[in-house]
Amino acid sequence: QLQLQESGPGLVKPSETLSLTCTVSGGSFSSSNYYWAWIRQPPGQGLEWIGSIYYSGGTNYNPSLKSRVTISVDTSKNQFSLKLNSVTAADTAVYYCARQAWDGGHSYPFDYWGQGALVTVSS
Amino acid sequence: EIVMTQSPATLSVSPGERATLSCRASQSVSSKLAWYQQKPGQAPRLLIYGASTRATGIPARFSGSGSGTEFTLTISSLQSEDFAVYYCQHYNNWPPSITFGQGTRLEIK
Repeated sequence: QLQLQESGPGLVKPSETLSLTCTVSGGSFSSSNYYWAWIRQPPGQGLEWIGSIYYSGGTNYNPSLKSRVTISVDTSKNQFSLKLNSVTAADTAVYYCARQAWDGGHSYPFDYWGQGALVTVSS
Repeated sequence: EIVMTQSPATLSVSPGERATLSCRASQSVSSKLAWYQQKPGQAPRLLIYGASTRATGIPARFSGSGSGTEFTLTISSLQSEDFAVYYCQHYNNWPPSITFGQGTRLEIK
């Protein structure tokens, strides 16, 4: 059974960089059939896609966050990571990592999710 | 940018009754539409993809329909565990991008 687990600091100061890592276990990480994504959810609000990365390192970002986001992958550790710089209180959210299937140019929705990690931006 | 709009924001339905949730896209998304269920403190769970295909393990009382810009999620006979927030999502082929609706809260009447 595929499992995803987010890890990283739960508290980040304003103007600093938020960093999270997602560790994938129980399945094929370095496969051409998947993108790996970050999604966030502010308290009491809806879901926002942050961006996705292919196992080879190709990335796609939400245009509204693109200037502040970097997603990277480490296939040797079955991990992918999120960095969001210049954070403000508006970046306080539960951050999820998830898997998105990709099949010959056709995308699919997120079928596996991590449990989520709450990150609070506060001094 | 495609905008996904869900209605109503809150839907009150009695157990055993049918619930119908709507999702509208600002432009055609073909059938690249998914529905998720989210309960408090949990990650979203994929219910429907391709507008009408149930994901693995999803009960038959959940059904999806529509194409283009208008989509519907129907829960035929509500069970207690179905009361939750539901999100629709467009997932684009190229460039790969994702857009969520703002959610519909399904509550017990």
